[in-house]
Parts: sequence; structure tokens; C-alpha cells
Amino acid sequence: DTGVSQNPRHKITKRGQNVTFRCDPISEHNRLYWYRQTLGQGPEFLTYFQNEAQLEKSRLLSDRFSAERPKGSFSTLEIQRTEQGDSAMYLCASSLATGNTEAFFGQGTRLTVV
Amino acid sequence: GQNIDQPTEMTATEGAIVQINCTYQTSGFNGLFWYQQHAGEAPTFLSYNVLDGLEEKGRFSSFLSRSKGYSYLLLKELQMKDSASYLCAVIVRAAGNKLTFGGGTRVLVKP
Repeated sequence: DTGVSQNPRHKITKRGQNVTFRCDPISEHNRLYWYRQTLGQGPEFLTYFQNEAQLEKSRLLSDRFSAERPKGSFSTLEIQRTEQGDSAMYLCASSLATGNTEAFFGQGTRLTVV
Repeated sequence: GQNIDQPTEMTATEGAIVQINCTYQTSGFNGLFWYQQHAGEAPTFLSYNVLDGLEEKGRFSSFLSRSKGYSYLLLKELQMKDSASYLCAVIVRAAGNKLTFGGGTRVLVKP
């Protein structure tokens, strides 16, 4: 257990539905990252927050994706009008902004769009 | 952008040594991480190199050459539980310490 928790662990949804995932980072970590990982590939960066500010979004993050971190603690990632290509593992990680910047990953949410 | 290459798959025998190479091209290099990931689980931290040289941690060692854009992870005295994917990732300055990963190397340890 790394201290980063993600819910749900698994989600199966029908194409066109909206889904929302939650990430609770390590409490003292001010940086929070979202990554997407497909089978046999390394994780791909989606977006990150420093406290409540979303500082960068990847080009991979289409308009159907939105992420929030309203109070600088937990974060949510929402996918609207899901497509089969959204099927992947969505990983959250947290770290400090300075000092020991090692990123700790959650167990991920595996999304299957049918 | 960054370009990170590592072999897709490697097979080794229990008790042996395996070396996983990683090459990268990036500007503003600020460190290289190795993570281990078992199937269906989160990546877990193995090592971090920011200066040239070898970092040793028990059975695992990691080496970095910044001038060559090259790193390797050395796994000694392989155990069956070492069968996993090994991810090489770099961070760059002024990029929020986000990790850019290679595709990962699947290591299969055989008895």
C-alpha cells in the first residue's frame, strides 16, 4: 500500500456513458498526477495539479476528459461520452513539489467500455 | 518532447543476472526513475538517478550516463517474484516533475 488510493478499482460501462474516478493522494503531497496505461505499454501522462491548480494537460486529454482537485486534496477524473478507445488503466500518483519528488502510485482504476 | 526506449521483453533464469537498458533523448533532464510493476498492480519505486554513476540497493542496481542518455537496471540473484514489467521514466526541469515513461520491459524469470 503506497498511501495513494483510487476508487473504483474496476469500472465497466457502456459506450456513451459518463464515468468518474476518484484519487486520494498522500495527505502532505501537493502534486497530483493522472496517467493512462494500456496493456503492454508504459503509463502516459494526462494531467497534473499543484494544490488545486491544474498546471498542465496533455494533448491526449480530449474535451471529453476533465479533472478537478477542488480543495487541493482528492482529485476526480471524469470521462464524458465514453468510447471503446478509452478502455485502459487510469493511474493516479502524488508527490511533493520540492525535496524528495518520488511519485507514489495508486492501484489504478481499470475502465472497460463495452 | 522526450523519447525513451527500452526492450520489450527479456527472459532469464532464476538465480541469474539480467540487465535492462534504457536510452532517452530529452532536454532539461532532471533525473531518471526505475519502477517495477506486477500485472494489474501499481508501479512501485525501485531507484532514482540524477548524477552519473551506479546506485546500489540490495539485489537491484541502477546506472546513469547523462552524456550518453543511457541508463540500465541490473537485477541480480533473480527470484521468481521478480517476474514483472520494469519501467524507465525521466523527469525534466520546468515540467512539474511529471514522469515520461518508456514502454516498459517485461521480464520473465524461469526456474
